[in-house]
Amino acid sequence: NAGVTQTPKFRILKIGQSMTLQCTQDMNHNYMYWYRQDPGMGLKLIYYSVGAGITDKGEVPNGYNVSRSTTEDFPLRLELAAPSQTSVYFCASSYSGTGYTGELFFGEGSRLTVL
Amino acid sequence: GIQVEQSPPDLILQEGANSTLRCNFSDSVNNLQWFHQNPWGQLINLFYIPSGTKQNGRLSATTVATERYSLLYISSSQTTDSGVYFCAVYGGATNKLIFGTGTLLAVQP
Repeated sequence: NAGVTQTPKFRILKIGQSMTLQCTQDMNHNYMYWYRQDPGMGLKLIYYSVGAGITDKGEVPNGYNVSRSTTEDFPLRLELAAPSQTSVYFCASSYSGTGYTGELFFGEGSRLTVL
Repeated sequence: GIQVEQSPPDLILQEGANSTLRCNFSDSVNNLQWFHQNPWGQLINLFYIPSGTKQNGRLSATTVATERYSLLYISSSQTTDSGVYFCAVYGGATNKLIFGTGTLLAVQP
């Protein structure tokens, strides 16, 4: 049971380049999330999804896009990378429903540097 | 939105000492989790604790939802306990998890 898997673990981008961070989970969780963590700070929610075909913005969505075509996968797209997007990105998933919020499980993180 | 405050912001312990970390939140929450972020950056689930008390080895947690706080107890601390401890709550009209700013713990041998 792999849990939540993120790729790549490390990436360096030039300003203006684009890339996709991949996230997949094998726990049949309906909710998936993308967070970013800047140095010495807590986690901030970028986007989340409550099921296939449904996504919504979190606290800091600008500069990012997501899609959720399957239950398992939740890729995060960075368009026109900027130095302010240098951060560690975490994908997470949970099983939740109306009136029920399940335990959140995280991937190991993806460290992105924009130069 | 919900505000989550953790205290103390940082803590230095000698190996073998005990400690209590606190998490206060500003509104009713549906659930609460404690995480440990180790020095390699991995986020490790410690407790999923909407209310009551749970124990796992040297760690235990108590959440009093009606008074809007949770406590994490670490007993007989070890150097491997070092890292950042985050409290995170689900609340409001959404199922989004909101993180506190964390407590940085350093356990010295």
